[in-house]
Amino acid sequence: EDKVVQSPLSLVVHEGDTVTLNCSYEVTNFRSLLWYKQEKKAPTFLFMLTSSGIEKKSGRLSSILDKKELFSILNITATQTGDSAVYLCANNNAGNMLTFGGGTRLMVKP
Amino acid sequence: EPEVTQTPSHQVTQMGQEVILRCVPISNHLYFYWYRQILGQKVEFLVSFYNNEISEKSEIFDDQFSVERPDGSNFTLKIRSTKLEDSAMYFCASTWVREKQPQHFGDGTRLSIL
Repeated sequence: EDKVVQSPLSLVVHEGDTVTLNCSYEVTNFRSLLWYKQEKKAPTFLFMLTSSGIEKKSGRLSSILDKKELFSILNITATQTGDSAVYLCANNNAGNMLTFGGGTRLMVKP
Repeated sequence: EPEVTQTPSHQVTQMGQEVILRCVPISNHLYFYWYRQILGQKVEFLVSFYNNEISEKSEIFDDQFSVERPDGSNFTLKIRSTKLEDSAMYFCASTWVREKQPQHFGDGTRLSIL
Protein backbone atom coordinates (compact mmCIF):
# COMPACT_ATOMS: atom_id res chain seq x y z
CA GLU A 1 0.00 0.00 0.00
CA ASP A 2 1.32 3.43 -0.95
CA LYS A 3 2.24 5.64 1.99
CA VAL A 4 3.15 9.31 2.29
CA VAL A 5 4.36 10.79 5.59
CA GLN A 6 4.86 14.47 6.25
CA SER A 7 6.73 16.20 9.02
CA PRO A 8 6.47 18.18 11.11
CA LEU A 9 2.73 17.97 11.80
CA SER A 10 2.67 21.66 12.60
CA LEU A 11 5.02 24.58 12.69
CA VAL A 12 4.79 28.11 14.11
CA VAL A 13 7.26 30.70 12.83
CA HIS A 14 7.56 34.46 12.60
CA GLU A 15 7.44 36.51 9.45
CA GLY A 16 10.77 36.50 7.70
CA ASP A 17 11.77 33.03 8.89
CA THR A 18 12.68 30.24 6.50
CA VAL A 19 10.90 26.90 6.82
CA THR A 20 11.53 23.43 5.46
CA LEU A 21 8.70 20.94 5.18
CA ASN A 22 9.43 17.25 4.72
CA CYS A 23 7.69 14.49 2.81
CA SER A 24 8.76 10.85 2.67
CA TYR A 25 7.04 8.20 0.63
CA GLU A 26 6.81 4.48 0.04
CA VAL A 27 5.05 3.83 -3.21
CA THR A 28 4.86 1.38 -6.06
CA ASN A 29 5.03 2.60 -9.64
CA PHE A 30 6.10 6.14 -8.78
CA ARG A 31 5.23 8.74 -11.39
CA SER A 32 5.49 12.09 -9.65
CA LEU A 33 5.31 13.87 -6.34
CA LEU A 34 3.15 16.93 -5.91
CA TRP A 35 2.90 19.72 -3.36
CA TYR A 36 -0.34 21.55 -2.69
CA LYS A 37 -1.29 24.44 -0.40
CA GLN A 38 -4.62 24.13 1.35
CA GLU A 39 -6.08 27.17 3.01
CA LYS A 40 -9.79 27.10 3.70
CA LYS A 41 -10.96 25.08 0.76
CA ALA A 42 -9.35 23.60 -2.35
CA PRO A 43 -5.80 22.28 -2.39
CA THR A 44 -4.03 24.61 -4.79
CA PHE A 45 -1.18 23.24 -6.86
CA LEU A 46 2.37 24.34 -6.08
CA PHE A 47 4.88 21.92 -7.64
CA MET A 48 5.08 18.65 -9.53
CA LEU A 49 8.38 16.77 -9.26
CA THR A 50 9.39 13.84 -11.40
CA SER A 51 13.20 13.90 -11.48
CA SER A 52 15.69 13.71 -8.64
CA GLY A 53 17.88 16.65 -7.81
CA ILE A 54 16.19 19.26 -9.97
CA GLU A 55 14.94 22.15 -7.89
CA LYS A 56 11.64 23.72 -8.84
CA LYS A 57 11.20 27.32 -7.79
CA SER A 58 8.32 29.76 -7.68
CA GLY A 59 9.06 33.04 -5.95
CA ARG A 60 9.90 32.33 -2.32
CA LEU A 61 8.91 28.67 -2.60
CA SER A 62 11.12 25.89 -3.86
CA SER A 63 11.04 22.11 -3.82
CA ILE A 64 13.32 19.20 -4.62
CA LEU A 65 12.93 15.45 -4.91
CA ASP A 66 15.31 12.63 -3.94
CA LYS A 67 14.11 9.43 -5.59
CA LYS A 68 16.90 7.35 -4.08
CA GLU A 69 16.07 8.30 -0.50
CA LEU A 70 12.34 8.62 -1.26
CA PHE A 71 11.72 12.09 0.06
CA SER A 72 11.00 15.63 -0.96
CA ILE A 73 11.30 18.98 0.77
CA LEU A 74 9.41 22.21 0.34
CA ASN A 75 11.25 25.38 1.34
CA ILE A 76 9.65 28.73 1.99
CA THR A 77 11.98 31.67 2.49
CA ALA A 78 11.08 35.05 4.01
CA THR A 79 7.74 33.72 5.20
CA GLN A 80 4.69 35.98 5.26
CA THR A 81 1.40 35.66 7.14
CA GLY A 82 -0.24 34.73 3.84
CA ASP A 83 1.85 31.56 3.79
CA SER A 84 -0.16 30.25 6.73
CA ALA A 85 -1.90 27.10 5.48
CA VAL A 86 -1.75 23.33 5.46
CA TYR A 87 0.85 22.08 2.98
CA LEU A 88 0.05 18.72 1.42
CA CYS A 89 2.40 16.32 -0.27
CA ALA A 90 0.94 13.69 -2.61
CA ASN A 91 2.28 10.84 -4.67
CA ASN A 92 0.93 10.18 -8.16
CA ASN A 93 1.23 6.53 -9.09
CA ALA A 94 0.73 4.62 -12.30
CA GLY A 95 -3.02 4.54 -11.72
CA ASN A 96 -3.02 8.34 -11.51
CA MET A 97 -4.45 8.21 -8.02
CA LEU A 98 -3.05 10.76 -5.62
CA THR A 99 -2.04 9.41 -2.22
CA PHE A 100 -1.83 12.30 0.22
CA GLY A 101 0.18 12.75 3.36
CA GLY A 102 -1.41 14.14 6.47
CA GLY A 103 -0.12 17.63 5.82
CA THR A 104 1.97 20.14 7.71
CA ARG A 105 0.06 23.00 9.30
CA LEU A 106 2.15 26.18 9.04
CA MET A 107 1.31 29.26 11.03
CA VAL A 108 3.28 32.43 10.33
CA LYS A 109 2.97 35.07 13.03
CA PRO A 110 3.46 38.78 12.32
CA GLU B 1 -7.42 31.23 -14.92
CA PRO B 2 -9.82 28.32 -15.55
CA GLU B 3 -10.97 26.52 -12.46
CA VAL B 4 -12.94 23.51 -11.31
CA THR B 5 -16.30 24.54 -9.87
CA GLN B 6 -18.38 22.50 -7.44
CA THR B 7 -21.96 22.85 -6.25
CA PRO B 8 -23.38 23.06 -3.70
CA SER B 9 -20.75 24.37 -1.33
CA HIS B 10 -22.59 22.79 1.60
CA GLN B 11 -25.18 19.99 1.55
CA VAL B 12 -27.09 18.82 4.61
CA THR B 13 -28.96 15.53 4.18
CA GLN B 14 -30.80 13.06 6.36
CA MET B 15 -29.20 9.63 6.76
CA GLY B 16 -30.51 7.20 4.18
CA GLN B 17 -31.24 9.87 1.59
CA GLU B 18 -29.62 10.07 -1.82
CA VAL B 19 -27.31 12.96 -2.56
CA ILE B 20 -25.74 14.20 -5.80
CA LEU B 21 -22.64 16.35 -5.77
CA ARG B 22 -21.89 18.29 -8.91
CA CYS B 23 -18.65 19.39 -10.54
CA VAL B 24 -17.76 21.30 -13.67
CA PRO B 25 -14.17 20.38 -14.57
CA ILE B 26 -11.84 22.68 -16.49
CA SER B 27 -13.16 22.72 -20.03
CA ASN B 28 -10.37 21.01 -22.00
CA HIS B 29 -9.57 18.45 -19.32
CA LEU B 30 -10.17 14.78 -20.02
CA TYR B 31 -9.55 13.04 -16.69
CA PHE B 32 -11.82 13.58 -13.70
CA TYR B 33 -11.54 12.57 -10.06
CA TRP B 34 -13.37 12.60 -6.76
CA TYR B 35 -11.60 12.73 -3.41
CA ARG B 36 -12.95 13.10 0.09
CA GLN B 37 -11.53 14.51 3.30
CA ILE B 38 -13.13 13.58 6.58
CA LEU B 39 -12.64 16.35 9.14
CA GLY B 40 -9.14 16.17 10.59
CA GLN B 41 -8.05 13.33 8.29
CA LYS B 42 -6.11 12.93 5.05
CA VAL B 43 -7.47 13.61 1.60
CA GLU B 44 -8.46 10.20 0.17
CA PHE B 45 -8.90 9.11 -3.43
CA LEU B 46 -12.34 7.80 -4.38
CA VAL B 47 -12.51 7.38 -8.14
CA SER B 48 -11.06 8.44 -11.47
CA PHE B 49 -13.04 8.74 -14.71
CA TYR B 50 -12.00 8.94 -18.34
CA ASN B 51 -13.81 8.49 -21.63
CA ASN B 52 -17.12 7.90 -19.84
CA GLU B 53 -15.75 5.06 -17.77
CA ILE B 54 -14.34 4.55 -14.32
CA SER B 55 -10.55 4.12 -14.62
CA GLU B 56 -9.68 3.41 -11.00
CA LYS B 57 -11.57 3.28 -7.75
CA SER B 58 -10.61 2.85 -4.13
CA GLU B 59 -12.04 0.54 -1.51
CA ILE B 60 -14.10 3.44 -0.22
CA PHE B 61 -15.98 3.65 -3.52
CA ASP B 62 -18.46 0.84 -2.88
CA ASP B 63 -21.85 0.09 -4.45
CA GLN B 64 -23.40 3.08 -2.72
CA PHE B 65 -21.33 5.42 -4.88
CA SER B 66 -21.62 6.14 -8.57
CA VAL B 67 -20.25 8.72 -10.97
CA GLU B 68 -21.60 10.08 -14.20
CA ARG B 69 -20.86 12.64 -16.85
CA PRO B 70 -24.44 13.34 -17.95
CA ASP B 71 -23.51 16.03 -20.48
CA GLY B 72 -20.41 17.67 -21.90
CA SER B 73 -19.65 19.74 -18.84
CA ASN B 74 -20.92 18.23 -15.58
CA PHE B 75 -19.34 15.41 -13.60
CA THR B 76 -21.42 14.08 -10.71
CA LEU B 77 -20.92 11.90 -7.66
CA LYS B 78 -24.03 10.16 -6.31
CA ILE B 79 -24.31 8.51 -2.93
CA ARG B 80 -27.44 6.33 -2.92
CA SER B 81 -28.18 5.87 0.76
CA THR B 82 -26.07 8.14 2.87
CA LYS B 83 -24.56 7.09 6.18
CA LEU B 84 -23.28 9.23 9.03
CA GLU B 85 -19.72 8.31 8.10
CA ASP B 86 -20.18 9.84 4.64
CA SER B 87 -19.96 13.27 6.27
CA ALA B 88 -16.86 14.84 4.75
CA MET B 89 -15.57 17.42 2.32
CA TYR B 90 -15.76 16.07 -1.22
CA PHE B 91 -13.33 17.45 -3.78
CA CYS B 92 -13.56 17.14 -7.52
CA ALA B 93 -10.36 17.39 -9.59
CA SER B 94 -9.46 17.30 -13.24
CA THR B 95 -6.41 17.13 -15.45
CA TRP B 96 -5.74 17.34 -19.14
CA VAL B 97 -3.09 14.67 -19.51
CA ARG B 98 -2.91 11.75 -17.13
CA GLU B 99 0.26 11.63 -14.99
CA LYS B 100 2.08 14.42 -16.83
CA GLN B 101 -0.04 17.30 -15.60
CA PRO B 102 -1.13 18.10 -12.05
CA GLN B 103 -4.67 17.56 -10.88
CA HIS B 104 -6.53 20.81 -10.21
CA PHE B 105 -9.08 20.81 -7.41
CA GLY B 106 -12.40 22.52 -6.88
CA ASP B 107 -13.36 24.24 -3.62
CA GLY B 108 -15.25 21.18 -2.45
CA THR B 109 -18.71 20.35 -1.18
CA ARG B 110 -19.10 19.93 2.55
CA LEU B 111 -21.55 17.06 3.05
CA SER B 112 -23.18 16.81 6.46
CA ILE B 113 -25.30 13.74 7.21
CA LEU B 114 -27.77 14.06 10.08
